Amino acid sequence: AQKITQTQPGMFVQEKEAVTLDCTYDTSDQSYGLFWYKQPSSGEMIFLIYQGSYDEQNATEGRYSLNFQKARKSANLVISASQLGDSAMYFCAMRENNQGGKLIFGQGTELSVKP
Amino acid sequence: KAGVTQTPRYLIKTRGQQVTLSCSPISGHRSVSWYQQTPGQGLQFLFEYFSETQRNKGNFPGRFSGRQFSNSRSEMNVSTLELGDSALYLCASSPGTGPYQETQYFGPGTRLLVL
Repeated sequence: AQKITQTQPGMFVQEKEAVTLDCTYDTSDQSYGLFWYKQPSSGEMIFLIYQGSYDEQNATEGRYSLNFQKARKSANLVISASQLGDSAMYFCAMRENNQGGKLIFGQGTELSVKP
Repeated sequence: KAGVTQTPRYLIKTRGQQVTLSCSPISGHRSVSWYQQTPGQGLQFLFEYFSETQRNKGNFPGRFSGRQFSNSRSEMNVSTLELGDSALYLCASSPGTGPYQETQYFGPGTRLLVL
């Protein structure tokens, strides 16, 4: 069964607008972490934001925020004021407490920012 | 602090050969994880090493192996290369002492092409 689902293979957004990238997850673990990474065409995975399963407030990091809805098992990434440099692949990932360092990734969403 | 480094960045091999990839983690990080990224399968976890011991392993054949040295540097070896092993191999490091909350930081990756 797919543990991380990203249903948007590709997204377009106008520069300076906000965009939401969807992510749903599946786990029976009570303790887990959710991560978003950005992967430009160069290939390197860049950490963006983290949300813990016990965190009551949504995480924010600059222009990135995570819309965490635990009951719905969703962890959507919101990018405000999109910039051309935001064009990249975005991956949602989960780390379960009983799985050590193992990150489970979704299939990714390719974001294109239009000028 | 210097980031995660991986060598070599690009590699071309032929079927049946073997290859060794190297990863140097962020200073002070003791956990190193390896991932394979292909267009068809996405990002898949290979294994994690912590304090020179394999702590977790993904679903890959025994041709894929790794090790970690006392300075936390890690190597990954693939023997008897197959065409399907062509991929981007990513290494990630984290302190390794915390559970699911720890963020993994990735290196630039090694692009392996098997002909």
